[in-house]
Amino acid sequence: DAGVTQSPTHLIKTRGQQVTLRCSPKSGHDTVSWYQQALGQGPQFIFQYYEEEERQRGNFPDRFSGHQFPNYSSELNVNALLLGDSALYLCASSLEGLAVYNEQFFGPGTRLTVL
Amino acid sequence: AQSVSQHNHHVILSEAASLELGCNYSYGGTVNLFWYVQYPGQHLQLLLKYFSGDPLVKGIKGFEAEFIKSKFSFNLRKPSVQWSDTAEYFCAVNAGGYGGATNKLIFGTGTLLAVQP
Repeated sequence: DAGVTQSPTHLIKTRGQQVTLRCSPKSGHDTVSWYQQALGQGPQFIFQYYEEEERQRGNFPDRFSGHQFPNYSSELNVNALLLGDSALYLCASSLEGLAVYNEQFFGPGTRLTVL
Repeated sequence: AQSVSQHNHHVILSEAASLELGCNYSYGGTVNLFWYVQYPGQHLQLLLKYFSGDPLVKGIKGFEAEFIKSKFSFNLRKPSVQWSDTAEYFCAVNAGGYGGATNKLIFGTGTLLAVQP
């Protein structure tokens, strides 16, 4: 059973560039959430996608956008990169349901370095 | 707004020592509480969770946590740590509710635990 996968593993960009990160959810999952983990910090919620729509969003600027495809995979796009965008970007997947909480499973992350 | 505080940023213990990592959250309503662990080179994994009922919850690898509502705390404990417990530990909270729409996790800054053999 494949878990959550993310690509690429590492990425180096320069300020002002644009980047796209990709995530494939765990088999059977239909909801994808993205988090940013800066060095020495805990993960911060960016946004969540369900049924190909952004369902909720954290405190991140519009430079951060995303997409979910019919196969439930997702992309995170960041435009006009800033040095402060350097971080580990985590994808988490879950299965929508009527449970009190739908457990999220995390991928290994993409390490983005902005020079 | 919800927030999570972890008081210990870096903890060093010898094997067989007891562990307690502090976690406090700020939110007045119903919450779901979690501890996640990140072993070196691995991804975040769920260690244990609290939704309701018995405030003492047991997780994997001998870890447990106690929810004290009056103190807004959810401290993680282990009676005897092993070298393999060396990892970063994150406390997290999300607002109570139903379904995926409440799946937004708020994490603390993490505690780096180093266990010396």
